[in-house]
Amino acid sequence: QKEVEQNSGPLSVPEGAIASLNCTYSDRGSQSFFWYRQYSGKSPELIMSIYSNGDKEDGRFTAQLNKASQYVSLLIRDSQPSDSATYHCAENQDNFNKFYFGSGTKLNVKP
Amino acid sequence: DAMVIQNPRYQVTQFGKPVTLSCSQTLNHNVMYWYQQKSSQAPKLLFHYYDKDFNNEADTPDNFQSRRPNTSFCFLDIRSPGLGDAAMYLCATSWAGEQYFGPGTRLTVT
Repeated sequence: QKEVEQNSGPLSVPEGAIASLNCTYSDRGSQSFFWYRQYSGKSPELIMSIYSNGDKEDGRFTAQLNKASQYVSLLIRDSQPSDSATYHCAENQDNFNKFYFGSGTKLNVKP
Repeated sequence: DAMVIQNPRYQVTQFGKPVTLSCSQTLNHNVMYWYQQKSSQAPKLLFHYYDKDFNNEADTPDNFQSRRPNTSFCFLDIRSPGLGDAAMYLCATSWAGEQYFGPGTRLTVT
């Protein structure tokens, strides 16, 4: 399978701070990237997708993609305790038919 | 609400005893997936279907089989479960690059 690498964490940030999550990928042919949030014992939930170089913002979340450097990042502004979860980066090829996930970064937001 | 449904949510089976996990969807999506996820690991793609076209990942063990009798239903068969097959099994669908996951089935092998 394709390689998607993430720091497993845990990443601890205080409530209200910016959490920065990073991901690198090995296949230069990867076209699309996704961030999923997974609470303990639950299934992954899509929170952001990004297809082009640059930034994409959605509420408190900003995804950043740099294809030349093969990294993707997720910024969470004004972090809340409810943001505490594992965040998986995923890449997609084959016309959206196959998704490969990183092992995830565990985020702890401390009140 | 339209969704991806997995049954059962928890399944206990004995070592070597065949087990079937079920998934259904009301989203009418063409693509369906089965993933295996072990604790603190990435969801690992086992198979996916584009309509009835079956696609097996190269490293999916032969012990795992799948069936998709129609658009709505997909099954994962584990022919002879081993202790190493204990995991969460996730079913998902996708449309235009967005995946929708079911709640998962937690499989325990005793």
